Amino acid sequence: AQSVTQLDSQVPVFEEAPVELRCNYSSSVSVYLFWYVQYPNQGLQLLLKYLSGSTLVESINGFEAEFNKSQTSFHLRKPSVHISDTAEYFCAVSERGFGNEKLTFGTGTRLTIIP
Amino acid sequence: DTGVSQNPRHKITKRGQNVTFRCDPISEHNRLYWYRQTLGQGPEFLTYFQNEAQLEKSRLLSDRFSAERPKGSFSTLEIQRTEQGDSAMYLCASSSADRDTIYFGEGSWLTVV
Repeated sequence: AQSVTQLDSQVPVFEEAPVELRCNYSSSVSVYLFWYVQYPNQGLQLLLKYLSGSTLVESINGFEAEFNKSQTSFHLRKPSVHISDTAEYFCAVSERGFGNEKLTFGTGTRLTIIP
Repeated sequence: DTGVSQNPRHKITKRGQNVTFRCDPISEHNRLYWYRQTLGQGPEFLTYFQNEAQLEKSRLLSDRFSAERPKGSFSTLEIQRTEQGDSAMYLCASSSADRDTIYFGEGSWLTVV
């Protein structure tokens, strides 16, 4: 079984400042890692994912996340945030291989951008 | 391709009534998932279909809950004798055969009064 810990439930950041949203996971097997974003009253949208290969993955809107196997982390970063980044961000894992299809989510981090 | 579609988007029902939600996955996605999300929490897995076969059910899915995917395309999630604790957003998602990415719909909000 896997688990995901997002230690920061809320992160306020000034506009154009950098931000890091932390995610740590626990699993006895290799995993896929994901970040999803949820805007108010909407469903989840995939932001970025790590499946294999380069440990640094990027999204089209300037976010990046780095898979660190030794620290079992997949922190999300952006060098300069915008008002439109205000949303809730969820880290999730799924097990590699056959037989386990579901995502396990963290409790989310609410990112608030201060003008 | 219009993404995962869910309806109704919002449902208010009285305690004890039955409700049904529908999900239309992305076309050609053979895997379909239902999740539940309560306020302040991340989504929690409920059940999963591969084509029309329901392959896994969470312990969260009590006997009052039933999900179907009769022809391997759309799916329904029915909640019988609703309780206030059922109030949540019910999310549907789908993925293709390589199953490395799960795409979510916008969710169906249920409020039980």
